[in-house]
Amino acid sequence: EDKVVQSPLSLVVHEGDTVTLNCSYEVTNFRSLLWYKQEKKAPTFLFMLTSSGIEKKSGRLSSILDKKELFSILNITATQTGDSAIYLCAVMGGGSQGNLIFGKGTKLSVKP
Amino acid sequence: KAGVTQTPRYLIKTRGQQVTLSCSPISGHRSVSWYQQTPGQGLQFLFEYFSETQRNKGNFPGRFSGRQFSNSRSEMNVSTLELGDSALYLCASSLGSGIDTEAFFGQGTRLTVV
Repeated sequence: EDKVVQSPLSLVVHEGDTVTLNCSYEVTNFRSLLWYKQEKKAPTFLFMLTSSGIEKKSGRLSSILDKKELFSILNITATQTGDSAIYLCAVMGGGSQGNLIFGKGTKLSVKP
Repeated sequence: KAGVTQTPRYLIKTRGQQVTLSCSPISGHRSVSWYQQTPGQGLQFLFEYFSETQRNKGNFPGRFSGRQFSNSRSEMNVSTLELGDSALYLCASSLGSGIDTEAFFGQGTRLTVV
């Protein structure tokens, strides 16, 4: 059965800290891995990763994929209180582009 | 450009009733996927429509159904509602063709079954 596992499930840090969120997967016919940030309702898209070893970067956020070891990490440097959210990892697999398999998420709380 | 629009935002229904939720994708996007999000199960895939055809389906009972119109708008229907159907229902749109593309989510419909 396809699965995506995120760790840790929750994390509390102070502003300025650097955090690393983990996502491992076992998915048939892996196509891509996506990271989302969910604050209240709609998950907002962060990154899509398809190739191993190529870091994607956006401001203080970066992510990388290891297709051999079947995992990805999301790094956030110099965290701010606005980074507090649930971070979701999802993997697109199988024969369709629409079937995203989500992890349970990592709840990040950044304290001032 | 406008994002993904879901209506209604909130809904309260009684057990046994049925409900229809609507999703208008980003202009130009032809794929619409539906997800159910609950605290215990996280985000779970319901189904995906592309060019008015259901292209993929998750592990939900037949009470959950959907359709897509020629303008790519999609509806999801749940019949004979159960208490356990209370959840946030999210739809995501993507271009849906060619190589992998990002999926963008709407704000969701919060369904409460009493």
